[in-house]
Amino acid sequence: QSALTQPPSASGSPGQSVTISCTGTSRDVGHYDYVSWYQQHPGKAPKLMIYEVSKRPSGVPDRFSGSKSGDTASLTVSGLQAEDEADYYCCSYAGSSNVFGTGTKVTVL
Amino acid sequence: EVQLVESGGGLVQPGGSLRLSCAASGFTFNPYWMHWVRQAPGKGLVWVSRIDDGGSTITYADSVKGRFTISRDNAKDTLYLQMNSLRAEDTAMYYCARGIGGARHFDYWGQGALVTVSS
Repeated sequence: QSALTQPPSASGSPGQSVTISCTGTSRDVGHYDYVSWYQQHPGKAPKLMIYEVSKRPSGVPDRFSGSKSGDTASLTVSGLQAEDEADYYCCSYAGSSNVFGTGTKVTVL
Repeated sequence: EVQLVESGGGLVQPGGSLRLSCAASGFTFNPYWMHWVRQAPGKGLVWVSRIDDGGSTITYADSVKGRFTISRDNAKDTLYLQMNSLRAEDTAMYYCARGIGGARHFDYWGQGALVTVSS
């Protein structure tokens, strides 16, 4: 049940793109297509942004996209906007548990 | 509107106990698996426990196994987390979350209940 590995920070100017990686193992990210991504603003509850690797819930802008290759999943935010500045966490189903990533703080410059 | 409202948080001494509740509304509670996720101050999200719709399939993170007990009352649309033998490292905001496809992802979260373990 070790946490998935994410870079601590990422940044981009408004309008640019930023991609966040999420590295797990063959027991979680590499084994299941059940990777999800959550956005969390300070003092707020997490919000689901991507599920099942690349699907977007209703209401989430199509600027947010997800993918996976092997043991690593990725979240890309295109056309960065000021309101995208937040912490982002990946999460993977792992059979008898779920495991979150270490989190990435995205800064809009 | 789907709502999850946690309660029961507070300050407790090391070794003490606390029970969190999560009241669900705006959806049919019974068919959904439910989860607890915690976040220590300034730290990341950590999955704690989950329970299936009937309350028979339950799993825990190793860090809380043997100390925490998850349960649910489908008649009251309420999820619980009984926390015993609390340690300083259990200090965190505790969120309840609704699971989709059992445990594939979490689509709705509560606002959290703060648990502080300190003497």
